[in-house]
Amino acid sequence: SQKIEQNSEALNIQEGKTATLTCNYTNYSPAYLQWYRQDPGRGPVFLLLIRENEKEKRKERLKVTFDTTLKQSLFHITASQPADSATYLCAVRPGYSSASKIIFGSGTRLSIRP
Amino acid sequence: GAGVSQSPSNKVTEKGKDVELRCDPISGHTALYWYRQSLGQGLEFLIYFQGNSAPDKSGLPSDRFSAERTGGSVSTLTIQRTQQEDSAVYLCASSLAMGQGVNGYTFGSGTRLTVV
Repeated sequence: SQKIEQNSEALNIQEGKTATLTCNYTNYSPAYLQWYRQDPGRGPVFLLLIRENEKEKRKERLKVTFDTTLKQSLFHITASQPADSATYLCAVRPGYSSASKIIFGSGTRLSIRP
Repeated sequence: GAGVSQSPSNKVTEKGKDVELRCDPISGHTALYWYRQSLGQGLEFLIYFQGNSAPDKSGLPSDRFSAERTGGSVSTLTIQRTQQEDSAVYLCASSLAMGQGVNGYTFGSGTRLTVV
């Protein structure tokens, strides 16, 4: 079956360190993969997209990698800050042409302690 | 509007009643999506609109769920004869066009539905 798996346990990181979140997928051939941030009581907010032919994408303190062999994406936040505390969701756009939606993982809760 | 607007933000209803949830997407966004998020879970796709038509209804859990979109803008998700398992946050998102997720979807803040 098709699955998107993210660490279900919360990740607790000391301020200033690099946080790394993992997204693994099975039985998909994604056209691209997206990362979103979700704060309590709010809808997800789009952060970054990486395409199947890209290995790495950066935006300010954020870095995403995409390994289609391992079927995995890693999401890094460098120089983490307490304001980065949130739930982070990965989402896959299946590669088949009729795909009209993106499929979300269940998210990883990140907590940055001062 | 400037963002995706959903109403109501919270809805408590008795089991067996019908509810209507409204979504007003970003002006000019032709694609509109409904997702459902249960506590601690990921987003579950419900239905997708391109303009006023719904080419993908594959995620609607049962025939108690229906949705429509009029004028290529506002969408309404209707749940008939609500059940306790319908309790969740219902999220709406829009994007410029079908499959144009390259700029990401823009989500509303959701409607928290509680069926008692």
